[in-house]
Amino acid sequence: NAGVTQTPKFRVLKTGQSMTLLCAQDMNHEYMYWYRQDPGMGLRLIHYSVGEGTTAKGEVPDGYNVSRLKKQNFLLGLESAAPSQTSVYFCASSYTSGGAYGYEQYFGPGTRLTVT
Amino acid sequence: DQQVKQNSPSLSVQEGRISILNCDYTNSMFDYFLWYKKYPAEGPTFLISISSIKDKNEDGRFTVFLNKSAKHLSLHIVPSQPGDSAVYFCAASEGTGNQFYFGTGTSLTVIP
Repeated sequence: NAGVTQTPKFRVLKTGQSMTLLCAQDMNHEYMYWYRQDPGMGLRLIHYSVGEGTTAKGEVPDGYNVSRLKKQNFLLGLESAAPSQTSVYFCASSYTSGGAYGYEQYFGPGTRLTVT
Repeated sequence: DQQVKQNSPSLSVQEGRISILNCDYTNSMFDYFLWYKKYPAEGPTFLISISSIKDKNEDGRFTVFLNKSAKHLSLHIVPSQPGDSAVYFCAASEGTGNQFYFGTGTSLTVIP
């Protein structure tokens, strides 16, 4: 049972390049999330998904796209990377949402992205 | 605008003593609160939670207190151990909402 895994762990991009971050979970969770963590800002929600085939915007969605074609995978895309997207990206999943039992989120180890 | 705030970026405590980490929030609609612990180069891990129908929740050495009128929650760790040294995040959500709002974290150092 690997939990939540993220690929890649590190990446350096040039401004304008594109890339996709992959998140996979083996806990059969319905809900998946992408966060970014910046110094002094805590974790901020980029996009989330409440089930296979669904996505929704979070707090800071601009410049990112997501897809949830399979229940276990949640992809985060950067179409044209900018230096402001330099951050550590965390994926998370949960069984339910809100205050229902099982709503705590399980996080992956993070992807450190630098855009030059 | 930060809806969840952790005003102490760092805290140092002697081993065996109590650690108290604080968190304030501005949105009175928040009714579920969680604490996460994060080690360097790892993702956050869930520690303990509380809903607004309670004012206290305990799990072993960890207790979370909620003061709804003050929009304040705190995490108590007793006794503190060196392995507790990590960054602690509080997070809040509204009802059955899908979004959790995180604080900026407090780095706890437990001195042996």
